[in-house]
Amino acid sequence: QQQVKQSPQSLIVQKGGISIINCAYENTAFDYFPWYQQFPGKGPALLIAIRPDVSEKKEGRFTISFNKSAKQFSLHIMDSQPGDSATYFCAAIQGGSEKLVFGKGTKLTVNP
Amino acid sequence: GAVVSQHPSWVICKSGTSVKIECRSLDFQATTMFWYRQFPKQSLMLMATSNEGSKATYEQGVEKDKFLINHASLTLSTLTVTSAHPEDSSFYICSASRSDTQYFGPGTRLTVL
Repeated sequence: QQQVKQSPQSLIVQKGGISIINCAYENTAFDYFPWYQQFPGKGPALLIAIRPDVSEKKEGRFTISFNKSAKQFSLHIMDSQPGDSATYFCAAIQGGSEKLVFGKGTKLTVNP
Repeated sequence: GAVVSQHPSWVICKSGTSVKIECRSLDFQATTMFWYRQFPKQSLMLMATSNEGSKATYEQGVEKDKFLINHASLTLSTLTVTSAHPEDSSFYICSASRSDTQYFGPGTRLTVL
Protein backbone atom coordinates (compact mmCIF):
# COMPACT_ATOMS: atom_id res chain seq x y z
CA GLN A 1 0.00 0.00 0.00
CA GLN A 2 1.54 3.24 -1.14
CA GLN A 3 0.92 5.87 1.50
CA VAL A 4 2.22 8.84 -0.50
CA LYS A 5 1.33 8.99 -4.19
CA GLN A 6 3.52 11.18 -6.35
CA SER A 7 2.95 12.36 -9.90
CA PRO A 8 4.08 12.70 -12.57
CA GLN A 9 6.76 10.03 -12.80
CA SER A 10 8.73 12.21 -15.19
CA LEU A 11 8.52 15.82 -16.25
CA ILE A 12 10.19 17.81 -19.00
CA VAL A 13 10.18 21.60 -18.76
CA GLN A 14 11.79 24.34 -20.77
CA LYS A 15 14.26 26.67 -19.10
CA GLY A 16 12.39 29.48 -17.40
CA GLY A 17 9.20 27.49 -17.08
CA ILE A 18 7.36 26.31 -13.98
CA SER A 19 7.79 22.73 -12.80
CA ILE A 20 4.93 21.30 -10.75
CA ILE A 21 5.06 18.00 -8.88
CA ASN A 22 2.07 16.71 -6.96
CA CYS A 23 1.69 14.39 -3.99
CA ALA A 24 -1.32 12.98 -2.21
CA TYR A 25 -1.65 11.09 1.05
CA GLU A 26 -4.30 9.23 3.02
CA ASN A 27 -2.90 9.10 6.54
CA THR A 28 -4.20 12.13 8.42
CA ALA A 29 -1.65 11.48 11.16
CA PHE A 30 1.11 12.77 8.88
CA ASP A 31 2.23 16.13 10.21
CA TYR A 32 5.47 16.96 8.42
CA PHE A 33 6.01 17.00 4.68
CA PRO A 34 9.56 17.43 3.32
CA TRP A 35 10.71 17.48 -0.27
CA TYR A 36 14.07 16.04 -1.26
CA GLN A 37 16.17 16.61 -4.37
CA GLN A 38 18.47 13.86 -5.56
CA PHE A 39 21.11 14.03 -8.26
CA PRO A 40 22.38 10.81 -9.89
CA GLY A 41 24.79 8.93 -7.66
CA LYS A 42 24.18 11.23 -4.69
CA GLY A 43 22.10 11.09 -1.54
CA PRO A 44 18.85 13.06 -1.28
CA ALA A 45 19.15 16.63 -0.08
CA LEU A 46 16.41 18.40 1.87
CA LEU A 47 14.90 21.09 -0.31
CA ILE A 48 11.96 22.50 1.60
CA ALA A 49 9.42 21.25 4.13
CA ILE A 50 6.00 22.23 5.44
CA ARG A 51 3.63 21.45 8.28
CA PRO A 52 -0.16 21.23 7.85
CA ASP A 53 -0.84 24.44 9.76
CA VAL A 54 0.27 26.56 6.79
CA SER A 55 -1.01 26.47 3.22
CA GLU A 56 2.11 27.67 1.48
CA LYS A 57 5.84 27.99 2.07
CA LYS A 58 8.29 29.65 -0.24
CA GLU A 59 12.06 29.49 -0.31
CA GLY A 60 13.63 31.21 -3.27
CA ARG A 61 12.32 29.63 -6.46
CA PHE A 62 10.78 26.69 -4.58
CA THR A 63 7.25 26.79 -3.17
CA ILE A 64 5.21 24.13 -1.40
CA SER A 65 1.44 24.43 -1.63
CA PHE A 66 -0.50 22.42 0.93
CA ASN A 67 -4.20 21.54 0.86
CA LYS A 68 -5.07 19.85 4.12
CA SER A 69 -8.71 19.12 3.27
CA ALA A 70 -7.75 17.47 0.00
CA LYS A 71 -4.74 15.77 1.57
CA GLN A 72 -2.55 17.01 -1.23
CA PHE A 73 0.65 19.00 -1.48
CA SER A 74 2.74 20.13 -4.37
CA LEU A 75 6.15 21.51 -5.21
CA HIS A 76 6.44 24.42 -7.61
CA ILE A 77 9.79 25.34 -9.10
CA MET A 78 9.67 28.79 -10.65
CA ASP A 79 12.02 29.87 -13.42
CA SER A 80 13.26 26.30 -13.79
CA GLN A 81 16.93 25.93 -14.72
CA PRO A 82 18.90 23.07 -16.30
CA GLY A 83 20.68 22.72 -12.95
CA ASP A 84 17.34 21.79 -11.39
CA SER A 85 17.32 18.58 -13.45
CA ALA A 86 17.16 15.87 -10.79
CA THR A 87 14.79 13.43 -9.16
CA TYR A 88 12.44 14.93 -6.60
CA PHE A 89 10.84 12.96 -3.79
CA CYS A 90 7.98 14.08 -1.61
CA ALA A 91 7.76 12.50 1.79
CA ALA A 92 5.70 12.51 4.95
CA ILE A 93 6.27 11.77 8.62
CA GLN A 94 3.65 10.73 11.09
CA GLY A 95 3.54 12.53 14.41
CA GLY A 96 5.48 10.58 17.03
CA SER A 97 7.47 8.70 14.40
CA GLU A 98 10.76 9.55 12.75
CA LYS A 99 10.20 7.31 9.73
CA LEU A 100 9.92 8.97 6.36
CA VAL A 101 7.32 7.68 3.92
CA PHE A 102 8.51 8.50 0.42
CA GLY A 103 6.71 9.02 -2.82
CA LYS A 104 8.08 7.15 -5.83
CA GLY A 105 9.89 10.19 -7.18
CA THR A 106 9.67 12.48 -10.19
CA LYS A 107 12.49 12.78 -12.65
CA LEU A 108 12.65 16.40 -13.77
CA THR A 109 14.47 17.41 -16.92
CA VAL A 110 14.86 21.10 -17.68
CA ASN A 111 15.86 21.72 -21.27
CA PRO A 112 18.09 24.69 -22.05
CA GLY B 1 24.89 22.60 9.36
CA ALA B 2 23.43 19.07 9.37
CA VAL B 3 26.11 17.33 7.36
CA VAL B 4 26.16 13.55 7.09
CA SER B 5 29.07 11.65 5.60
CA GLN B 6 29.42 8.07 4.44
CA HIS B 7 32.50 5.99 3.88
CA PRO B 8 33.38 4.51 1.52
CA SER B 9 31.59 6.21 -1.37
CA TRP B 10 31.97 3.07 -3.45
CA VAL B 11 33.25 -0.44 -2.84
CA ILE B 12 33.75 -3.52 -4.96
CA CYS B 13 34.07 -6.86 -3.22
CA LYS B 14 34.08 -10.55 -3.99
CA SER B 15 31.10 -12.74 -3.28
CA GLY B 16 31.21 -14.17 0.23
CA THR B 17 33.12 -11.33 1.82
CA SER B 18 31.79 -8.76 4.29
CA VAL B 19 31.69 -5.04 3.77
CA LYS B 20 31.34 -2.30 6.38
CA ILE B 21 29.84 1.10 5.59
CA GLU B 22 30.18 4.00 8.01
CA CYS B 23 27.71 6.83 8.47
CA ARG B 24 28.69 9.89 10.47
CA SER B 25 26.83 13.02 11.47
CA LEU B 26 29.57 15.64 11.32
CA ASP B 27 28.10 18.66 13.06
CA PHE B 28 25.27 17.33 15.19
CA GLN B 29 24.43 14.41 17.41
CA ALA B 30 21.89 11.94 16.15
CA THR B 31 20.09 9.61 18.49
CA THR B 32 18.47 7.97 15.50
CA MET B 33 19.98 7.06 12.16
CA PHE B 34 18.40 5.21 9.29
CA TRP B 35 19.71 2.92 6.57
CA TYR B 36 18.15 2.81 3.14
CA ARG B 37 18.71 0.87 -0.02
CA GLN B 38 17.96 2.32 -3.42
CA PHE B 39 17.68 0.43 -6.69
CA PRO B 40 18.15 2.25 -10.01
CA LYS B 41 15.32 4.63 -10.86
CA GLN B 42 13.44 3.71 -7.72
CA SER B 43 12.60 5.36 -4.44
CA LEU B 44 14.44 4.77 -1.20
CA MET B 45 13.60 1.61 0.70
CA LEU B 46 14.03 1.80 4.45
CA MET B 47 16.05 -1.13 5.75
CA ALA B 48 16.39 -0.36 9.42
CA THR B 49 16.25 2.25 12.13
CA SER B 50 19.36 2.55 14.24
CA ASN B 51 19.19 3.94 17.76
CA GLU B 52 22.29 4.84 19.73
CA GLY B 53 23.04 2.27 22.40
CA SER B 54 20.30 -0.17 21.46
CA LYS B 55 19.53 -2.79 18.86
CA ALA B 56 18.44 -1.70 15.44
CA THR B 57 14.87 -2.14 14.31
CA TYR B 58 14.63 -3.85 10.94
CA GLU B 59 11.88 -3.46 8.39
CA GLN B 60 9.89 -6.47 7.34
CA GLY B 61 11.79 -8.64 4.89
CA VAL B 62 15.25 -7.31 5.79
CA GLU B 63 17.59 -10.00 7.13
CA LYS B 64 19.07 -8.72 10.36
CA ASP B 65 21.81 -11.36 10.36
CA LYS B 66 22.90 -10.30 6.91
CA PHE B 67 22.75 -6.56 7.42
CA LEU B 68 24.38 -5.89 10.78
CA ILE B 69 23.86 -2.42 12.17
CA ASN B 70 25.76 -0.87 15.04
CA HIS B 71 25.11 2.59 16.45
CA ALA B 72 27.99 2.93 18.87
CA SER B 73 27.88 6.69 19.39
CA LEU B 74 25.68 9.70 18.74
CA THR B 75 27.62 10.46 15.58
CA LEU B 76 28.39 7.05 14.10
CA SER B 77 26.36 4.17 12.76
CA THR B 78 27.75 1.30 10.73
CA LEU B 79 26.14 -1.15 8.32
CA THR B 80 27.95 -4.41 7.67
CA VAL B 81 26.81 -6.52 4.75
CA THR B 82 27.88 -10.03 5.69
CA SER B 83 28.66 -12.76 3.17
CA ALA B 84 27.79 -10.43 0.35
CA HIS B 85 26.34 -11.80 -2.88
CA PRO B 86 25.75 -10.15 -6.26
CA GLU B 87 22.11 -9.51 -5.39
CA ASP B 88 23.30 -7.29 -2.53
CA SER B 89 24.79 -4.90 -5.08
CA SER B 90 22.98 -1.62 -4.61
CA PHE B 91 23.21 2.00 -3.51
CA TYR B 92 23.12 2.22 0.28
CA ILE B 93 22.23 5.54 1.89
CA CYS B 94 22.14 6.52 5.54
CA SER B 95 20.38 9.42 7.19
CA ALA B 96 20.57 11.06 10.58
CA SER B 97 17.59 12.59 12.31
CA ARG B 98 17.54 16.07 13.83
CA SER B 99 14.39 17.95 14.83
CA ASP B 100 11.93 15.91 12.74
CA THR B 101 14.16 16.17 9.69
CA GLN B 102 16.32 13.48 8.17
CA TYR B 103 19.60 14.53 6.62
CA PHE B 104 21.06 12.09 4.17
CA GLY B 105 24.58 10.97 3.47
CA PRO B 106 26.01 10.90 -0.06
CA GLY B 107 25.48 7.16 -0.41
CA THR B 108 27.71 4.13 -0.92
CA ARG B 109 27.69 2.16 -4.16
CA LEU B 110 28.30 -1.53 -3.40
CA THR B 111 29.17 -3.90 -6.21
CA VAL B 112 29.56 -7.57 -5.39
CA LEU B 113 31.35 -9.62 -8.02
